[in-house]
Amino acid sequence: DSGVTQTPKHLITATGQRVTLRCSPRSGDLSVYWYQQSLDQGLQFLIQYYNGEERAKGNILERFSAQQFPDLHSELNLSSLELGDSALYFCASSVVKSGNYGYTFGSGTRLTVV
Amino acid sequence: SQKIEQNSEALNIQEGKTATLTCNYTNYSPAYLQWYRQDPGRGPVFLLLIRENEKEKRKERLKVTFDTTLKQSLFHITASQPADSATYLCALGDSNYQLIWGAGTKLIIKP
Repeated sequence: DSGVTQTPKHLITATGQRVTLRCSPRSGDLSVYWYQQSLDQGLQFLIQYYNGEERAKGNILERFSAQQFPDLHSELNLSSLELGDSALYFCASSVVKSGNYGYTFGSGTRLTVV
Repeated sequence: SQKIEQNSEALNIQEGKTATLTCNYTNYSPAYLQWYRQDPGRGPVFLLLIRENEKEKRKERLKVTFDTTLKQSLFHITASQPADSATYLCALGDSNYQLIWGAGTKLIIKP
């Protein structure tokens, strides 16, 4: 157990639907990062939050949004889902706002859009 | 544009030998570099971080080197074991302190 909790582990939904992925960071970590990993692609950075505020954005689609709550857990909302959104979605946390410290990853949410 | 290259082909190593993985980068001057291990269907696990002013870092059977002139990092696993079989990812820290990830190299240790 890495200390980063992601729910649900698996999600199957239809095209056009909306889903919410949840992440609880490791205790004491203030930064939360969201990544997408498809079968034939590496880790794609989506977005980072630090202590409740958005810190950095990567290749996140407009259909996707995220937020970090006062208790530091984070949610990633994916809407108008397309087949190509099927992927593993990872959440990672870090104690600092920058990347010069190792990230702790959760076990991921496997999203299947049918 | 910034580019990170890791061997796309799987690396097959005999148990007990040293496995060496390569991470090359271009158009980039990272302040630090990280290595992770990823097993199928699991999240990456942080292994080592090396900064631009460090030439080498060690942790148990792992060793990482960082050559900013060659724009290359080498990741070594000595006395390799079948349990070391996994995909290994390198990630470089950019000027905004975000990580840019390589696609990873699959390492297979044969008994």
